[in-house]
Amino acid sequence: DAGVIQSPRHEVTEMGQEVTLRCKPISGHDYLFWYRQTMMRGLELLIYFNNNVPIDDSGMPEDRFSAKMPNASFSTLKIQPSEPRDSAVYFCASSRGAWGEQFFGPGTRLTVL
Amino acid sequence: KNQVEQSPQSLIILEGKNCTLQCNYTVSPFSNLRWYKQDTGRGPVSLTIMTFSENTKSNGRYTATLDADTKQSSLHITASQLSDSASYICVVSDRGTGGGADGLTFGKGTHLIIQP
Repeated sequence: DAGVIQSPRHEVTEMGQEVTLRCKPISGHDYLFWYRQTMMRGLELLIYFNNNVPIDDSGMPEDRFSAKMPNASFSTLKIQPSEPRDSAVYFCASSRGAWGEQFFGPGTRLTVL
Repeated sequence: KNQVEQSPQSLIILEGKNCTLQCNYTVSPFSNLRWYKQDTGRGPVSLTIMTFSENTKSNGRYTATLDADTKQSSLHITASQLSDSASYICVVSDRGTGGGADGLTFGKGTHLIIQP
């Protein structure tokens, strides 16, 4: 299995631009998570899906952030418009079951200038 | 408010030496505790998971301990190797109300550097 796949690995954009991060979970996993990691705050759960349905988005910082999961093998996290304070590493993880081990992707390092 | 505190924030040791990383938590009710290793530029990888009834679990040179009474856990690394250089993150689950996936509290990690 290829593991969780994320793209792009690095993204540099200017303030105000739209950013879309992509994730392909491990096949057969029914939970998908989006995290943000910064030096100051560590790892923060943004949103998670169960069987493609968003369950809890209370971690999404603002309305500028949105996430979708149109099918079991693909999810996106969109930031529109982006701001410099959104600069962070964004991780996608997936698991089998709510209590299963979460497998993380390599992350997308986002820099907003 | 659930919290996970890790210490030290950073640690530098010589290759071959042992070290112990600490994790104190105030998460309640407690479900399980996980230690993750995160190499630079990569996502976290699970090392161990411990439930309430377990007080020691090993994974190769890594040994995690849990004291549910004092709400403390430690990760002991024996005979450190250069490849152990990474951040180690403690994550505690309270199972949450949404099936558990939202009941995770993350520590900020300990950054470990192994010097040759």
